[in-house]
Parts: sequence; C-alpha cells; structure tokens
Amino acid sequence: QSALTQPPSASGSPGQSVTISCTGTSSDVGAYKYVSWYQQHPGKAPKLMIYEVSKRPSGVPDRFSGSKSGNTASLTVSGLQAEDEADYHCSSYAGSNNLVFGGGTKLTVL
Amino acid sequence: EVQLVESGGGLVKPGGSLRLSCAASGFSFSTYSINWVRQAPGKGLQWVSSINSRSNYIYYADSVKGRFTISRDNAKNSAYLQMNSLRVEDTAVYFCARDGAGWSRDYWGQGTLVTVSS
Repeated sequence: QSALTQPPSASGSPGQSVTISCTGTSSDVGAYKYVSWYQQHPGKAPKLMIYEVSKRPSGVPDRFSGSKSGNTASLTVSGLQAEDEADYHCSSYAGSNNLVFGGGTKLTVL
Repeated sequence: EVQLVESGGGLVKPGGSLRLSCAASGFSFSTYSINWVRQAPGKGLQWVSSINSRSNYIYYADSVKGRFTISRDNAKNSAYLQMNSLRVEDTAVYFCARDGAGWSRDYWGQGTLVTVSS
C-alpha cells in the first residue's frame, strides 16, 4: 500500500490561513469519502481533527476544515494560532480493508 | 473519559519477539474495533492491524502479515499485538487506536516504543 503524498512543511503567520494537501490515487482518496486528518504535537498521540473528508468531531474548532477534489484532499486551518503548530497527517481508506496514511506535514506558525 | 494505554515495548534483537498490550477504559470496549498503528522515528503513520469487536474480522498490513498477530480479550478490556520475527524496520512507536466513523481512528493511546537492533 503506497503512502499518500503530503508536503513536508507548511507555514503561516498568526491569523492567516494555511492549506495542506494530501494526494493519493483513484484507488484511495479519489475513490472514497473516507479521508481523515490528525494533529500530532511532538511526543504526543495523534488527535482526530477531520473525518469523512469534511466532518469535525465534537470539540474541534471550526477553524479546521477539510475538502476533496479528485485524488487530492486538503486541510485548511483558518485564523492560525500558536497552538496549531504541530504535525498533520492525512489518511484514506484504500479498499480491501486497507488504510493508508500520508507522510505528515509539519505546520509552523511564524 | 476514553483512555487507551499501551505497554510492552522495549529493545529486542532482530528475529526476536515482543507482545504489546493496549488497556482500554472509559467506553464500551467490546463494541468497538481496535487498531494498531506505528510511527517510525521521524516518519509518518502506518496502519499495522485491525480487529473487530468479536475477533472474527482481522486484517494486517502486507509488511507484517505472517509475523504479527492481533488479538483481544473483551473481559479484560484489552487488545494485544504479538510480534514475531522482528526486523530492524519494525522499529517504531506503536499506537493502539479506536475505530471511529468513516474509517477514522477517533482515540489514540500515547504509544509504546519498539526498538529492533543488534
């Protein structure tokens, strides 16, 4: 199972918006509405931020939003805050009970 | 509060074995599928294995098939990952995670480090 492609890094200033991409294929991201996004601070467990492309779990600020177009999913963080600085990982169902993840993107708040 | 606590990691030589445990609390463990996901040092996440609530549906990533065995004991609110024939490339932090909606993993433990080295 090939990993999804994410940019290694992204950055933005406080208050700005930043978008992180997650590119897969027609067999995973493009085929299913099962894309999730996770936030991970250093040395901590991942935290679910977005599921089913654009749904937010209870307690996740609405500054976080997700979308998908073709084989690419995106996570947008609006109104950047210092605490948003973390690694962000995407995942997608890939059929046959397989789940694939991206390589992760380090988001820096300048 | 949902909690997942992993244990059992450590240093092991190539070819060796290790058994990881995941103790759950704060939710009805017997009704959820449980997963193991690993993260090699400085790398992204990789799904390893999944087991459904009644242990009748079990899945593995190709990279661990035939070497790792997932299991669970609903009476003890625990899941396990038996890892045999360990390789250097199995070195990672191993997380257990609960199944969420739409193939998400909605709660994760803090992880346990497995180091395979001679």
